[in-house]
Amino acid sequence: RKEVEQDPGPFNVPEGATVAFNCTYSNSASQSFFWYRQDCRKEPKLLMSVYSSGNEDGRFTAQLNRASQYISLLIRDSKLSDSATYLCVVNWGNNNNDMRFGAGTRLTVKP
Amino acid sequence: EADIYQTPRYLVIGTGKKITLECSQTMGHDKMYWYQQDPGMELHLIHYSYGVNSTEKGDLSSESTVSRIRTEHFPLTLESARPSHTSQYLCASGSQGAGNEQYFGPGTRLTVT
Repeated sequence: RKEVEQDPGPFNVPEGATVAFNCTYSNSASQSFFWYRQDCRKEPKLLMSVYSSGNEDGRFTAQLNRASQYISLLIRDSKLSDSATYLCVVNWGNNNNDMRFGAGTRLTVKP
Repeated sequence: EADIYQTPRYLVIGTGKKITLECSQTMGHDKMYWYQQDPGMELHLIHYSYGVNSTEKGDLSSESTVSRIRTEHFPLTLESARPSHTSQYLCASGSQGAGNEQYFGPGTRLTVT
């Protein structure tokens, strides 16, 4: 089983659509969870941290399910500028410096 | 906006050469990281550092070394470049108290011929 697994996509959605990505992780001791965004041939940029109670930042909502070891990202009212690859990131067990990245889910928002 | 810099941005070099990839950050972050990323693939941790004179290996470190003599500087050295080292190298930094969030540099795209 991969350490951090994501559906690679691509997800092709029209502007204004709602889209959701899931990510599963294999280390039950993991404590820190993040979503990063990576544009083509650019560096990853932090989108949001994922808290146990779930959290929202504008059009973006992140959820964590520890029992099932998955996190999700929901994007509402998609914009063209949301087109990117979304990376799920999880710390490896108790080591907060060892972050494991998923391969990413590619999103294309079309007019 | 993160202030983390990498040089060179692009490098083409022959097999067997020694290479040092530079990374500097001006945010005073204690933690710094090196990752390798192939196109369309996940990032793999090569090395990380908690602070000056502290370095640790990630899961992909066996062919490279790092040093952390100054807080702001974390260079990565490949002693003998091979075509299998062709990849994108990303440096990142983070603060001890910032919940493990990491800020990435623009990357160095390395090609070994």
